[in-house]
Amino acid sequence: SQKIEQNSEALNIQEGKTATLTCNYTNYSPAYLQWYRQDPGRGPVFLLLIRENEKEKRKERLKVTFDTTLKQSLFHITASQPADSATYLCALVRDSNYQLIWGAGTKLIIKP
Amino acid sequence: DAGITQSPRYKITETGRQVTLMCHQTWSHSYMFWYRQDLGHGLRLIYYSAAADITDKGEVPDGYVVSRSKTENFPLTLESATRSQTSVYFCASSGVAGAETQYFGPGTRLLVL
Repeated sequence: SQKIEQNSEALNIQEGKTATLTCNYTNYSPAYLQWYRQDPGRGPVFLLLIRENEKEKRKERLKVTFDTTLKQSLFHITASQPADSATYLCALVRDSNYQLIWGAGTKLIIKP
Repeated sequence: DAGITQSPRYKITETGRQVTLMCHQTWSHSYMFWYRQDLGHGLRLIYYSAAADITDKGEVPDGYVVSRSKTENFPLTLESATRSQTSVYFCASSGVAGAETQYFGPGTRLLVL
């Protein structure tokens, strides 16, 4: 079955450094991948979408890469700030009905 | 206000009772989704709908029923609640399923005693 893995351990990063989160998947070749941010007690909020023919996508301090050979996406936040602290979720399109399958998320903590 | 809303935000019920969670969106999005989120798991799709009167099962549909008589509303009913249905439930919508961002509601926290 399709499986998405994100680091279940919290990631602690010093303010100002670059935070890098990983999303690995198996048994599938998704057409695209999405990253969302989720704050405690709230619903996920869309951040970036990257397609299989795109190697990299940027939005302000955010950068996503997509390596279909390694079956991996990396999510980078440069010049990290305490306000970036949240749980970050990756999601892949499942099938032709465009259902998404989700990773469990990685909790990011930016320390001042 | 425009957006996607869910009600109630919190619900405590007992095993065997019927519970309905409401979801309303103001964007006229075609697609709507119900997910549950449990600790250690990713969001799991319960049901989705491509348009009014069109619904389909997701990954974990057992014990749930949905309907969509109007584009803007997508209620989720637990016919006979079980403790294993204690979870946080999120409703989401998108203009084109998967090809666009999904917009999520604030969630309903359900506790089944």
